[in-house]
Parts: sequence; C-alpha cells; structure tokens
Amino acid sequence: ETGVTQSPTHLIKTRGQQVTLRCSSQSGHNTVSWYQQALGQGPQFIFQYYREEENGRGNFPPRFSGLQFPNYSSELNVNALELDDSALYLCASSLGGLEYNEQFFGPGTRLTVL
Amino acid sequence: AQRVTQPEKLLSVFKGAPVELKCNYSYSGSPELFWYVQYSRQRLQLLLRHISRESIKGFTADLNKGETSFHLKKPFAQEEDSAMYYCALFNNAGNMLTFGGGTRLMVKP
Repeated sequence: ETGVTQSPTHLIKTRGQQVTLRCSSQSGHNTVSWYQQALGQGPQFIFQYYREEENGRGNFPPRFSGLQFPNYSSELNVNALELDDSALYLCASSLGGLEYNEQFFGPGTRLTVL
Repeated sequence: AQRVTQPEKLLSVFKGAPVELKCNYSYSGSPELFWYVQYSRQRLQLLLRHISRESIKGFTADLNKGETSFHLKKPFAQEEDSAMYYCALFNNAGNMLTFGGGTRLMVKP
C-alpha cells in the first residue's frame, strides 16, 4: 500500500507568481483535502475534492484553486502569491462518504514566498 | 463558526508524570473530535477519536459537552510521547477538519 506523496518537497517563489503543488492519494482513497499550516500554527482547511469535484471549502480566497484527476491525485494552485502564503501545505487522502473517514497526511510541501 | 483552542503551546513534564493536554471547542452542532499527533520528522497522524472511546498508546480523551472540552490524558508519560499534539473537530456539513494551534509535549528523562 502506497502512502500519500507530495511534490515538490519545498520551493521558493516571489510575490505575484503562481504555484502548483501536487498530491498523490493513498491507494484506494477517492478524497483529497488540502491544508495550509503557517509556522507555529495548526493546519487550516483549504478545500476538499471528492470524485473530481470540490466538496467543501474553508475561508480561503478564490486565488486558491484545485483539481482532482480521475486517478484521484490532486493539484493545489495558488495565483498572485502573497508573502503570507508562505507555509507548509499538507494534503490528506481518505475514503470519502457522508461520515468522517480517517485522513492520511502527506509529508507536506514547504512554500516560501519572497 | 467552529473553533478549537489549545491554550498551551508547550507542556514539559518528567517521565512517569501524568499528562493532560487541554482542548476546548466551540461548535453549534454535535461535535466529532479527534487528537492528531506529529512525532519528530514524521507525518501528522490520527491518535484517537472520541467516538471510538479507545485508549491508544495509553492516552485517553473524554468529550465533556458541558465544558466543551476534549482533553487528552495519560497517567504516566514516556519519553517517546514527546511530539506535537493537535486537537481537531470535524464539521460534517463542510467536510472540514478544524485544528487547534497545537501543543508541544516534551517528556524529560
């Protein structure tokens, strides 16, 4: 069984640029959730994708967008980067449904915006 | 709006001492609460959820709806318990987990 993987491990961008982060879900999982974790804080929910559709969204502006592919891997896109976007971005996969199912987290992508 | 508060950023205890990591929440519905743990250089992982009422690695957590709390307890701390602990609340309507700010537990020998 393959765990959740994320790429890249880390990257550096400048203000105003765009970035795409990638996540491969654990085998058998059809749901991916994305979180932003600023330094010294807990993860904050960005959005969730279930069967290629957005299935819930936290308090993040529209410049945060995502995709889920038929193989259930997912991308997080952030446009017009701001300094405050510097954070660890986590994805988590789970088996979706009406109830909570355990989310398995990836190692994260550390984004630095200069 | 739902909120999870962990009042202590750092908790330092000696090996063998009791541990209590505090978590308070605000939520208008029926809460579903969890504790997640992140050991050094490892991924965030689920420790326990309140509906299972299990003891995992000697840790237990009881949901107190009157006090809106879900504190994590262990009677005798071990050095390997040193980690970041996050309390989280699941919102079924939004399919979202809301995390607290985390508490770093340090167990000294």
